[in-house]
Amino acid sequence: QSVLTQPPSASGTPGQRVTISCSGSSSNIGSNYVYWYQQLPGTAPKLLIYRNNQRPSGVPDRFSGSKSGTSASLAISGLRSEDETDYYCAAWDDSLRAVLFGGGTKLTVL
Amino acid sequence: EVQLLESGGGLVQPGGSLRLSCAASGFIFSSYAMSWVRQAPGKGLEWVSGLSGSGDRTFDADSVKGRFTISRDNSKNTLYLQMNSLTAEDTALYYCAKPWFGEFAYLDYWGQGTLVTVSS
Repeated sequence: QSVLTQPPSASGTPGQRVTISCSGSSSNIGSNYVYWYQQLPGTAPKLLIYRNNQRPSGVPDRFSGSKSGTSASLAISGLRSEDETDYYCAAWDDSLRAVLFGGGTKLTVL
Repeated sequence: EVQLLESGGGLVQPGGSLRLSCAASGFIFSSYAMSWVRQAPGKGLEWVSGLSGSGDRTFDADSVKGRFTISRDNSKNTLYLQMNSLTAEDTALYYCAKPWFGEFAYLDYWGQGTLVTVSS
């Protein structure tokens, strides 16, 4: 069972803006950076957002991240069909001294 | 170009052992911590273990503590995961991943994974 809580699914229509939440606690999100990963079917995860709201080179600015207290969010604007895949949040946990991943959110583009 | 190539996966009986390897190239291996992340079939990501660049600090998920040992050989640019007392719950695709220096949740490069199946 993941200590970082994500909704199992999310959906939106092309062009819409969708957000995916990630809820944690003071020992993880509350005191450390949050990262987001995108995993296309049959491939390794890809870093999408680092240090709460930074985009690696090559990631479109349609993707953005934010953090407030013990929660974080990934926003995808101008939704496209190729965005339909799985998304995971992650953070270091100071108490467990381990990385925690959220359970993942499957995004469907209707 | 950073490359991570895992090997060593396969079919093993419950209670058995297996050693995974990850050959790294394209960066100064000894300067970076390294990690293993796994994904059970149809399930989400689970961080397994992390190791500092010098190899003197290790971190493990509770689910593998006392059974798995992460190590590295910086002269060979290779990361290892020794897995003992394997159970069916360890069946997964095991990814080698490179953190940004010692920031373990900041995984900027991933291998393609090696599959471990624990079954009798």
